[in-house]
Amino acid sequence: DIQMTQSPSTLSASVGDRVTITCRASQSINTWLAWYQQKPGKAPKLLIFRASSLESGVPSRFSGSGSGTEFTLTISSLQPDDFATYYCQQYNSYLYSFGQGTKLEIK
Amino acid sequence: EVQLVESGGGLVQPGGSLRLSCAASGFTLSTYWMNWVRQAPGKGLEWVANIKEEGSEKYYVDSVKGRFTISADKAKNSLYLQMNNLRAEDTAVYYCARDYSGLDVWGKGTTVTVSS
Repeated sequence: DIQMTQSPSTLSASVGDRVTITCRASQSINTWLAWYQQKPGKAPKLLIFRASSLESGVPSRFSGSGSGTEFTLTISSLQPDDFATYYCQQYNSYLYSFGQGTKLEIK
Repeated sequence: EVQLVESGGGLVQPGGSLRLSCAASGFTLSTYWMNWVRQAPGKGLEWVANIKEEGSEKYYVDSVKGRFTISADKAKNSLYLQMNNLRAEDTAVYYCARDYSGLDVWGKGTTVTVSS
């Protein structure tokens, strides 16, 4: 099974900051990677698919990159609504898996 | 409007069974891969199971194999998760999610609590 590891687990930042979250896969997943945002008590929301494609309606300050085993999610200029938990998810194999999550906190 | 609505959660004793349902509207469920994802209290997301369009293939995370069964009813446009021999560690919010290069549509979730 493919293991997904995110770093950092927690990230403190301020409005306007540029932040990057990293996700590593235990084996190559090509670009079969998605990123989600989740707020407390809510379902996750798809942000990025195929590693770098922006889901419709998602602000352009979100971007994704990477292929193989190393991936990043970047928020170019943090907005108050962006403080949430972020997850990566691989769908290279039919046995999907998520990273453990990165909680983005207000500094 | 494209929507998923889960139901069927509740409190069950260890060793008991529950059947979760997920009703789809605004799209034809049988033309997509569909998934169940769960989230234990205060924990991250865990993928549980998925089913191919028309139900010809099904996959499960190891921890639920042999205990959970995913299925779909084309006529009812609904997804199901039959959960047997439930354990305390199955306590979670269970979400159904549509699969279209990433899980693009999610329900609000239904809560399963396994406790005596």
